[in-house]
Amino acid sequence: GENVEQHPSTLSVQEGDSAVIKCTYSDSASNYFPWYKQELGKRPQLIIDIRSNVGEKKDQRIAVTLNKTAKHFSLHITETQPEDSAVYFCAASIGNNDMRFGAGTRLTVKP
Amino acid sequence: GAGVSQSPSNKVTEKGKDVELRCDPISGHTALYWYRQSLGQGLEFLIYFQGNSAPDKSGLPSDRFSAERTGGSVSTLTIQRTQQEDSAVYLCASSLAPGVNTGELFFGEGSRLTVL
Repeated sequence: GENVEQHPSTLSVQEGDSAVIKCTYSDSASNYFPWYKQELGKRPQLIIDIRSNVGEKKDQRIAVTLNKTAKHFSLHITETQPEDSAVYFCAASIGNNDMRFGAGTRLTVKP
Repeated sequence: GAGVSQSPSNKVTEKGKDVELRCDPISGHTALYWYRQSLGQGLEFLIYFQGNSAPDKSGLPSDRFSAERTGGSVSTLTIQRTQQEDSAVYLCASSLAPGVNTGELFFGEGSRLTVL
């Protein structure tokens, strides 16, 4: 099955700075790459996703980039705020089938 | 219900006992996943059901773990002869069939299992 690697495992930034989380995947057939945010004590929730037919997608302060050749994708959060503090998970799948997650990144935004 | 429902929300059991965890997915969702999340850790894939296809059981950590999904809806994860290392939150998620425009997984609140 798909293997997803994610780094860093922890990330601390000052409020207003940018945060970048990177993931690599193993199966070149994977074509759907979502990102989930899990706040403390809550369930993971989808924040943004990208399909392999595009290289970048943006939604307000959040953007994802995809490099199919290198099999890696990244989450970019600009102008970070304390409420962005959470654990972020990347995932990969083939046609949103059989989803596998990375190990997560704990983001702390210091006010 | 409107979301994925899991029960029990909390389960404390003694080592060696069997436990059953239940997941009721969103109506119409053909895909159902079980993940395990140990304290402060990631989402460990356990098993995936998709429609009437044979489930992907490749994530089950040992033969003490099994899961079934009856009638393409409710799923039960069974852990036999529980061990302390089984203590974790077990998360269930469901999604629409593969190939549709959205691949979003909707997670339940999880079942927190503590093995004493």
